[in-house]
Amino acid sequence: ETGVTQTPRHLVMGMTNKKSLKCEQHLGHNAMYWYKQSAKKPLELMFVYSLEERVENNSVPSRFSPECPNSSHLFLHLHTLQPEDSALYLCASSQARSYGYTFGSGTRLTVV
Amino acid sequence: GESVGLHLPTLSVQEGDNSIINCAYSNSASDYFIWYKQESGKGPQFIIDIRSNMDKRQGQRVTVLLNKTVKHLSLQIAATQPGDSAVYFCAEIVTGGGSQGNLIFGKGTKLSVKP
Repeated sequence: ETGVTQTPRHLVMGMTNKKSLKCEQHLGHNAMYWYKQSAKKPLELMFVYSLEERVENNSVPSRFSPECPNSSHLFLHLHTLQPEDSALYLCASSQARSYGYTFGSGTRLTVV
Repeated sequence: GESVGLHLPTLSVQEGDNSIINCAYSNSASDYFIWYKQESGKGPQFIIDIRSNMDKRQGQRVTVLLNKTVKHLSLQIAATQPGDSAVYFCAEIVTGGGSQGNLIFGKGTKLSVKP
């Protein structure tokens, strides 16, 4: 275990569904991130939270909505997704923005 | 723009041989570099890092070399084992000068170890 836990590990959802991905870190870090990993592509940064405040949104469609209620938890709310959104969604945390990131195992999302 | 790329998408080595995975980066302002290993079904796992004031750093069976002149990073794995089979990513970040940079990843190299 890395200290960053993601649930669920696998998720299949229809295009009209609403679901949420959860990330919890037990490392005392103060920055959290959502990344998207598609086949044969580099990891794409989606959102950055620092001290519970969203500091970056990398042109992510509004059908993805992050939430950071406290420094240990991060959510990614999903609604009306498209099949091309199928990917591995990775959560990471770091002690500060300039430190290396610790990743969770990811949620494998399939949109049907 | 910022980019981190890898020269080879796949690398196959014999068990016991040394492996070298290469990475090129384009942002000369990047001052912190990390190698990650990602096994099937898992998230990226930290292997080793290096800051721009160094050109070499050694860990257990792994060595990272940094050549800032040509913006090149490499990961050397000694006596490669089957458990080393994974996808390896290099990543760069700008940490200095009050910058709040983000970790930028390359595409990854898949390392396969033949028994």
